[in-house]
Amino acid sequence: AQSVSQHNHHVILSEAASLELGCNYSYGGTVNLFWYVQYPGQHLQLLLKYFSGDPLVKGIKGFEAEFIKSKFSFNLRKPSVQWSDTAEYFCAVNVYNAGNMLTFGGGTRLMVKP
Amino acid sequence: DGGITQSPKYLFRKEGQNVTLSCEQNLNHDAMYWYRQDPGQGLRLIYYSQIVNDFQKGDIAEGYSVSREKKESFPLTVTSAQKNPTAFYLCASSISSREKLFFGSGTQLSVL
Repeated sequence: AQSVSQHNHHVILSEAASLELGCNYSYGGTVNLFWYVQYPGQHLQLLLKYFSGDPLVKGIKGFEAEFIKSKFSFNLRKPSVQWSDTAEYFCAVNVYNAGNMLTFGGGTRLMVKP
Repeated sequence: DGGITQSPKYLFRKEGQNVTLSCEQNLNHDAMYWYRQDPGQGLRLIYYSQIVNDFQKGDIAEGYSVSREKKESFPLTVTSAQKNPTAFYLCASSISSREKLFFGSGTQLSVL
């Protein structure tokens, strides 16, 4: 079975700092990749997704993620974080054409200090 | 407003008791899912349903049961066989298997 690892459980940054959250998965076949975000008091929502094509994917609110197949990674990045980016971020993977049965990583709690 | 409604927000279970968590969606989505969220472990899939009257076990289905009698409803029962039920439970739906998930606000279940 596939697994998803997010190595940073808690990240604290100051505003304007750059962000990179790591995500690695274990499945060797074709995968679909996602980042979901949960802002305080809000529902989980999709930040960005990769199915195919350009491995550099741009999402909402200035976030982007790069799929590196050789490294089984899908790291999330933002050049300059804001206080409003404080949230919990989840990486998720599913096997191509296997339905929407996502395997989630353990999540990373990001706190941005104003 | 369209969305997913989970109830109750907080639920307490006594030893040996079955409890049912409600999940209703008015998005006309075919697929619905139940996830369990534990600190540091992310979300783990309990059950999913891709169409009415059909559902499949996820990664951690033992001690849980579901039904899908109506498209808009996917209730989850936590049975007495689930020995560690304390967790945050999230329901989700999607229009199809490749589309994004829409999540409810969750139910926190605790054992008395």
